[in-house]
Amino acid sequence: NAGVTQTPKFRILKIGQSMTLQCTQDMNHNYMYWYRQDPGMGLKLIYYSVGAGITDKGEVPNGYNVSRSTTEDFPLRLELAAPSQTSVYFCASSYPTGTDTQYFGPGTRLTVL
Amino acid sequence: DAKTTQPTSMDCAEGRAANLPCNHSTISGNEYVYWYRQIHSQGPQYIIHGLKNNETNEMASLIITEDRKSSTLILPHATLRDTAVYYCIVRVKTGTASKLTFGTGTRLQVTL
Repeated sequence: NAGVTQTPKFRILKIGQSMTLQCTQDMNHNYMYWYRQDPGMGLKLIYYSVGAGITDKGEVPNGYNVSRSTTEDFPLRLELAAPSQTSVYFCASSYPTGTDTQYFGPGTRLTVL
Repeated sequence: DAKTTQPTSMDCAEGRAANLPCNHSTISGNEYVYWYRQIHSQGPQYIIHGLKNNETNEMASLIITEDRKSSTLILPHATLRDTAVYYCIVRVKTGTASKLTFGTGTRLQVTL
């Protein structure tokens, strides 16, 4: 199993541009999550999903959108990028049994200039 | 979810046991203690979790005090590859999507 994969690894955006961060998992996990991590800080939850077609906001959802059309994929969309969205973005997934063992992807490092 | 307090940083000599403390004095009876670590900006990695009994797996041991107000993660024989930021997280094991709250953790530096 590849686990959780994320693309791209790095990206530089100009202010006002848009992009989609891709996340795919091959573990048949129902739950998926998007976090961001600013330099020297812990992770903050942006959005999460408990299954295809179901998403909900986390702690810091403003400026982002998500969709979940399949179990495997959970893309994160940035509209009108701002410098405050410069961060490392991590996608994670977990089983629905509530063990809270989340499996994380390698991250996408995004810079907005 | 209960708040946790961890030291900002710790050092440990390679081959020695690394003991990482976590204070969670406001923990509720149905809240579990979880430990994750993050190696050099990689995605966090699950280590271990427990409710009130001590737990051990292939990576580490978790010691929870009898009053459950604090816990210690033990890496029995630390290696250079254990250098990472370690996060202690307390939350209810609800069976639904878990919204983990990561603080700033403890930065463990393992040295020769």
